[in-house]
Amino acid sequence: GENVEQHPSTLSVQEGDSAVIKCTYSDSASNYFPWYKQELGKGPQLIIDIRSNVGEKKDQRIAVTLNKTAKHFSLHITETQPEDSAVYFCAASIRGNTPLVFGKGTRLSVIA
Amino acid sequence: NAGVMQNPRHLVRRRGQEARLRCSPMKGHSHVYWYRQLPEEGLKFMVYLQKENIIDESGMPKERFSAEFPKEGPSILRIQQVVRGDSAAYFCASSRDNYGYTFGSGTRLTVV
Repeated sequence: GENVEQHPSTLSVQEGDSAVIKCTYSDSASNYFPWYKQELGKGPQLIIDIRSNVGEKKDQRIAVTLNKTAKHFSLHITETQPEDSAVYFCAASIRGNTPLVFGKGTRLSVIA
Repeated sequence: NAGVMQNPRHLVRRRGQEARLRCSPMKGHSHVYWYRQLPEEGLKFMVYLQKENIIDESGMPKERFSAEFPKEGPSILRIQQVVRGDSAAYFCASSRDNYGYTFGSGTRLTVV
């Protein structure tokens, strides 16, 4: 089955700097890659996703890139703000067929 | 338009008791997924259900755990004869088409 590795496990950045979180996946059939943000005491919230027919997607300060050949994808957050502090999870699945498999998460701290 | 509703938010059970966790999906969503999250760990898939059917239960322990999603009413995750190792946060998610999951706020189970 699918296996998703995520790193780093913790990341501290200064407010205004960029943050990058990377994930690799094992199943070349996976074609859907969402990212979730989880704040303390809450459920994960979808922040951006990408399908395998696209190499990059942007939404304001966040962007995701996908390299299908290398089987890795990354989350980029620019101009970080304190409210970006949370745990971020990447995930992968074969859309419509398999449940999402999640990475272990990255705890992002944005220092004011 | 209410999101995914989980209850209770917190549940304390003594060892050997039964725990029942409820999840009402978003309106129009017929796919339900249960995940377990241990402290400082990612989300582990347990079971995927559609109305009245279990589609994939590969992540659910064979003993003591069961899940259902009846024609009417919420999805239920049942844990019989709970043990301390069952203490975790249990999250339910729903989707319209096995794509774009929306998560609930979770049930935090503590076994004493």
